[in-house]
Amino acid sequence: QKEVEQDPGPLSVPEGAIVSLNCTYSNSAFQYFMWYRQYSRKGPELLMYTYSSGNKEDGRFTAQVDKSSKYISLFIRDSQPSDSATYLCAMKRWETSYDKVIFGPGTSLSVIP
Amino acid sequence: EAGVAQSPRYKIIEKRQSVAFWCNPISGHATLYWYQQILGQGPKLLIQFQNNGVVDDSQLPKDRFSAERLKGVDSTLKIQPAKLEDSAVYLCASSLSGASTYEQYFGPGTRLTVT
Repeated sequence: QKEVEQDPGPLSVPEGAIVSLNCTYSNSAFQYFMWYRQYSRKGPELLMYTYSSGNKEDGRFTAQVDKSSKYISLFIRDSQPSDSATYLCAMKRWETSYDKVIFGPGTSLSVIP
Repeated sequence: EAGVAQSPRYKIIEKRQSVAFWCNPISGHATLYWYQQILGQGPKLLIQFQNNGVVDDSQLPKDRFSAERLKGVDSTLKIQPAKLEDSAVYLCASSLSGASTYEQYFGPGTRLTVT
């Protein structure tokens, strides 16, 4: 079992739709939960992070963490064509003397005008 | 603030040849990462440096891959000899160190094609 799994894509939605992107994890030692966005032929960039169970909102984006179920989600409201990208969940835990970050495989999203 | 710089952006080599990638992290970032991202997959950590020292190289194929970080700043990743399965994007990232830090800053990557 992989430490971090992500809903497979690709995902294609019409402009204005609500998008739900999901990841599960197996190791309860993960403490920080991040979502990165990666445009084609670019490096990933941090979109949101959280470290507690519950919801965190930033504009059209909401990150949700359920530590009891080992499940995280990213919701995008009023999706725009500019949201078309690959979304990577990432999780961080402490490893003796350094932080270890594991990325999910990513979900490709296309928002159709 | 200047971002993470990587070169070259693209490289095409034949199998069994060698190749080197260069990364210049954001100034002041103690932690530097090299990732391999195969098409359609998430980034896979190859090696993580904390200042000059290696803290995680558990997924680095040490028989063919090597990396160094000079004076705790720039870093190079080398592959020798390359195999077809090494075709991927090699991403360099850097971050501040510390338990409460969470953001990695990525460079644009080097796209390697091995023929």
